[in-house]
Amino acid sequence: EAQVTQNPRYLITVTGKKLTVTCSQNMNHEYMSWYRQDPGLGLRQIYYSMNVEVTDKGDVPEGYKVSRKEKRNFPLILESPSPNQTSLYFCASSPMAGGGGSYEQYFGPGTRLTVT
Amino acid sequence: AQKVTQAQTEISVVEKEDVTLDCVYETRDTTYYLFWYKQPPSGELVFLIRRNSFDEQNEISGRYSWNFQKSTSSFNFTITASQVVDSAVYFCALGTGTASKLTFGTGTRLQVTL
Repeated sequence: EAQVTQNPRYLITVTGKKLTVTCSQNMNHEYMSWYRQDPGLGLRQIYYSMNVEVTDKGDVPEGYKVSRKEKRNFPLILESPSPNQTSLYFCASSPMAGGGGSYEQYFGPGTRLTVT
Repeated sequence: AQKVTQAQTEISVVEKEDVTLDCVYETRDTTYYLFWYKQPPSGELVFLIRRNSFDEQNEISGRYSWNFQKSTSSFNFTITASQVVDSAVYFCALGTGTASKLTFGTGTRLQVTL
């Protein structure tokens, strides 16, 4: 089944404790992206990647890191999480490298993160 | 800069009523793409439709229909004969060929009751 998977789905952590949210897609998509969803703000892009070893900042990159060492994986790293990073996080992929704005994005199930 | 406005924060209807969700967008690009996504209570994001800026034909898919009007920069979504299963948050989104992302509206929460 074609899908985007994220792990963990739920995470409660404390301020300053490094964490990684994994994202994997099995559709051989070039483009991958991370969004965060907050009430009243919709979804905002954190980082995106057009291909292996090619990543760039989105609208709200502060406090986050990403890497794209393999085509299928795009982990999101919070080196020192803070309470304002409490949010619902979505990973997405799209078939074309330049497809961030042109093609539909396929979203993972979401990761609900709480930082206390 | 791109912007999507969904002015309706929440809408409540009774089952079988028709309901229209509004979406107004702003972009300077002449080539752009409009999307609707559904987020049911389970939380996932479900793709509903993609429309490019050169195709103003309205689209119907079962009980769903979309009205794209470039003159008013709107891409409205109508659900005919709503059902309880339509209860969800609906997001309108805008993308362009030069952009690296989708710009989302803030969403409209639709509640359909019996």
